[in-house]
Amino acid sequence: EIVLTQSPDTLSLSPGERATLSCRASQFVSSNFLAWYQQKPGQAPRHLIYRTSNRATGIPDRFSGSGSGTDFTLTISGLEPEDFAVYYCQQYGSSPLTFGGGTKVEI
Amino acid sequence: QLQLQESGSGLVKPSETLSLTCAVSGDSISSGTYSWNWIRQPPGKGLEWIGYIYHSGSTYYNPSLKSRVTMSVDKSKNQFSLNLTSVTAADTAVYYCARLTVRGGSFDYWGQGALVTVSS
Repeated sequence: EIVLTQSPDTLSLSPGERATLSCRASQFVSSNFLAWYQQKPGQAPRHLIYRTSNRATGIPDRFSGSGSGTDFTLTISGLEPEDFAVYYCQQYGSSPLTFGGGTKVEI
Repeated sequence: QLQLQESGSGLVKPSETLSLTCAVSGDSISSGTYSWNWIRQPPGKGLEWIGYIYHSGSTYYNPSLKSRVTMSVDKSKNQFSLNLTSVTAADTAVYYCARLTVRGGSFDYWGQGALVTVSS
């Protein structure tokens, strides 16, 4: 099973700042099957990024994903008030599908 | 617009079976190259993938839950279901159904989630 470790646990930033979230895999993630989700309290996760760097439908271009192999990054350039949430990475390069533990982006 | 909606018992006694159904609307469960998945999230914790089912009925379950999980699909009703047996308090969670795209390997549509509490 591929274990995904997200860092930091919490990121304290202000609106307008840049957020850089890390997701490290315990093994190579094949085909770059690495995705990112945003979750707000009481809501289901929202699809942000798939295959490492592709934005999902309707996602603003301030969200970008990068990386390969075992190291992946989600960058939010210019935080908006609605971006403060918990972010999860997820891999499906091999079964079972796994999620990271999440990074909370707070004001 | 695709929509998924979970339904089922919100309170289950220990050792009994948790049963949930996910109704899919806006598209046929048989269309496209998608799998239909269950994911859960204990209160205040992260996400755990339970497994998937295809419209053909083929399944894959997370090895950590495999011995207790069964999924089924009802194409006539455009829905799929989850049964989890021998539940304990550790199974208390919000249960989500979600569609996974084979192309992207990610979940593009999610249900709103159903809280299931295991308690006597």
